[in-house]
Amino acid sequence: GQSLEQPSEVTAVEGAIVQINCTYQTSGFYGLSWYQQHDGGAPTFLSYNALDGLEETGRFSSFLSRSDSYGYLLLQELQMKDSASYFCAVLIYNQGGKLIFGQGTELSVKP
Amino acid sequence: EAGVTQFPSHSVIEKGQTVTLRCDPISGHDNLYWYRRVMGKEIKFLLHFVKESKQDESGMPNNRFLAERTGGTYSTLKVQPAELEDSGVYFCASSQEDFNEQFFGPGTRLTVL
Repeated sequence: GQSLEQPSEVTAVEGAIVQINCTYQTSGFYGLSWYQQHDGGAPTFLSYNALDGLEETGRFSSFLSRSDSYGYLLLQELQMKDSASYFCAVLIYNQGGKLIFGQGTELSVKP
Repeated sequence: EAGVTQFPSHSVIEKGQTVTLRCDPISGHDNLYWYRRVMGKEIKFLLHFVKESKQDESGMPNNRFLAERTGGTYSTLKVQPAELEDSGVYFCASSQEDFNEQFFGPGTRLTVL
């Protein structure tokens, strides 16, 4: 089957750095994506890793190790507005791409 | 540029009734996806259209669910008859040729009583 594991919740303070880990067991792996969701609204794309290594986009970075079936999202200089749910999702390519999601990590940023 | 829109935002129906959800993707996006999040669980893939063709419908739960995408523009997802376990949030997403960046709509929250 397909499964992704990520922590259910993480708490951090403003200005801190937090890392959200994701391990996966899937077939047909094409890449690892991260999405942010505020208050149950539309998930918003944050990043995508198809190759091993670190991708940086502003305060957010994402890492992938294909050999370890592992990735993480790193959020720096945390702000209150970063409080949200964060989902890792494996992109499976089988006649078209589809996302297999983890259960989400609820990030709470405290003052 | 308008994002993905979904209608209605909320729907409350009784078991056995029919409900039709609508999704309008971003203009020019050939790929359209339906996903569902049942309370407390992960967001699950339902199906994928490329233009008007069903590319992958492996995630559709059963034959009570019917998705269409007439003319390769908007899509509808009909649930008939609805059951209690169909309650959840139904998300639609669209993307261009590269599948990795999918743009999600705000979802339709379906409650079956």
